[in-house]
Amino acid sequence: DSGVTQTPKHLITATGQRVTLRCSPRSGDLSVYWYQQSLDQGLQFLIQYYNGEERAKGNILERFSAQQFPDLHSELNLSSLELGDSALYFCASSALKSGTAYGYTFGSGTRLTVV
Amino acid sequence: TQLLEQSPQFLSIQEGENLTVYCNSSSVFSSLQWYRQEPGEGPVLLVTVVTGGEVKKLKRLTFQFGDARKDSSLHITAAQTGDTGLYLCAGVENNYGQNFVFGPGTRLSVLP
Repeated sequence: DSGVTQTPKHLITATGQRVTLRCSPRSGDLSVYWYQQSLDQGLQFLIQYYNGEERAKGNILERFSAQQFPDLHSELNLSSLELGDSALYFCASSALKSGTAYGYTFGSGTRLTVV
Repeated sequence: TQLLEQSPQFLSIQEGENLTVYCNSSSVFSSLQWYRQEPGEGPVLLVTVVTGGEVKKLKRLTFQFGDARKDSSLHITAAQTGDTGLYLCAGVENNYGQNFVFGPGTRLSVLP
């Protein structure tokens, strides 16, 4: 157990729908990062929050949004889902504003299947 | 935009053999990390290297950061079936980078 909790583990939904993925960071970590992993794209950075504020944005689609709450848990919202959104979505956390020094601790991921 | 390349893409070896996988970029990194990911799990951090020329050892794993901080290698001695997994390198271009860029990974299979 890495200490980063992601729910749900699996999600199957239809095209056009909206889903919410949840992440609780490791105790004491203030930064939360969201990554998308697909077979052909590898791990792609989506967005980072630090202590409730958005800190960095990567290749996140406009249909996707995220937030970090006062208790530091984070949610990734995916809307108007398309078949191509099927992927593993990982949350990672780190204590600092960047993972430069100590790296990231990843959760086990949410496998999203859009049918 | 920095780009990390990893080679080989796939590697299948017998238990007990040695192997080296590589991570290369045209960019200079202030630090670079190696992760191992097993099926159904998230990547797990193995090591962070920050100084050009740095060598770090973790039991049978030896990590090297290139002198110019553009490349890195991971050498595994006497591979075991438990070493099977996806090996990812990740780097940040400067100390102000907010996130790491991950390479595509090397998928290692160690056969008994």
